Amino acid sequence: GENVEQHPSTLSVQEGDSAVIKCTYSDSASNYFPWYKQELGKRPQLIIDIRSNVGEKKDQRIAVTLNKTAKHFSLHITETQPEDSAVYFCAAGGGADGLTFGKGTHLIIQP
Amino acid sequence: SQTIHQWPATLVQPVGSPLSLECTVEGTSNPNLYWYRQAAGRGLQLLFYSVGIGQISSEVPQNLSASRPQDRQFILSSKKLLLSDSGFYLCAWSALRMTDNEQFFGPGTRLTVL
Repeated sequence: GENVEQHPSTLSVQEGDSAVIKCTYSDSASNYFPWYKQELGKRPQLIIDIRSNVGEKKDQRIAVTLNKTAKHFSLHITETQPEDSAVYFCAAGGGADGLTFGKGTHLIIQP
Repeated sequence: SQTIHQWPATLVQPVGSPLSLECTVEGTSNPNLYWYRQAAGRGLQLLFYSVGIGQISSEVPQNLSASRPQDRQFILSSKKLLLSDSGFYLCAWSALRMTDNEQFFGPGTRLTVL
C-alpha cells in the first residue's frame, strides 16, 4: 500500500516569512495529492491539491509542487499570517480506496 | 450543494460499552464513504471505506466495524469499546470518479472511552 512521510512535524516561522512542508510517497500509481488544514478541534479542510499531470499549482499565498520522478511534493505558504497557524496534512491517493495521510505538521506563526 | 453530517458531536462511554456513530451525506448520489480516526495530536488513520451499499473494506484490524445500509449512510460500530478507541472520528465522502478523489470531511465525533 501507499506510505506517506511528512516533514517537519513542527514548524515555527516569523509572521511574514515563508513556510515549506515536504512529503514523500511510495506508490507510483498515486495521482492525486491534496493538502488539508486542520484548526484545533475542527475537521480538516482542503486548501489546495495537485494532480499528477501538473508540476506546480498556486492559489494566492499557497503553492504546491510535485516531482513524480522523485515521488515528493511540497506545500509553500508565503507571507505567513497568524491565521495560518494550524496542523497541515498532506495525502496521496487516486482511486476509490481512500487517501493515505502524512502524520501532519504543526505550523506556528510567531508574531 | 453537498453536505455531510455526523452525530453525535461528542461522546463519553465506559470501557466495554457498545458504540454507534452515524454519518450521512446529502446532495450527492453513490458517494465513496470513509471512516478515519485521529488520536490526540496524531495523524489521520483510514479505518474503513465503502464504494457502495453493503460494500465495506477494512484497512486495519480492530474491534470496530462499519456498515452502509443506505447509499448515503455510513455507520461505525463496536460491540465493546477499549480505552484505545478514544479519538476524533471523521467521516468523509468523495465523488465516485476514479480520477477525482477530493475528499470532504464531516464535523467529526470526539469519543472518550473511560
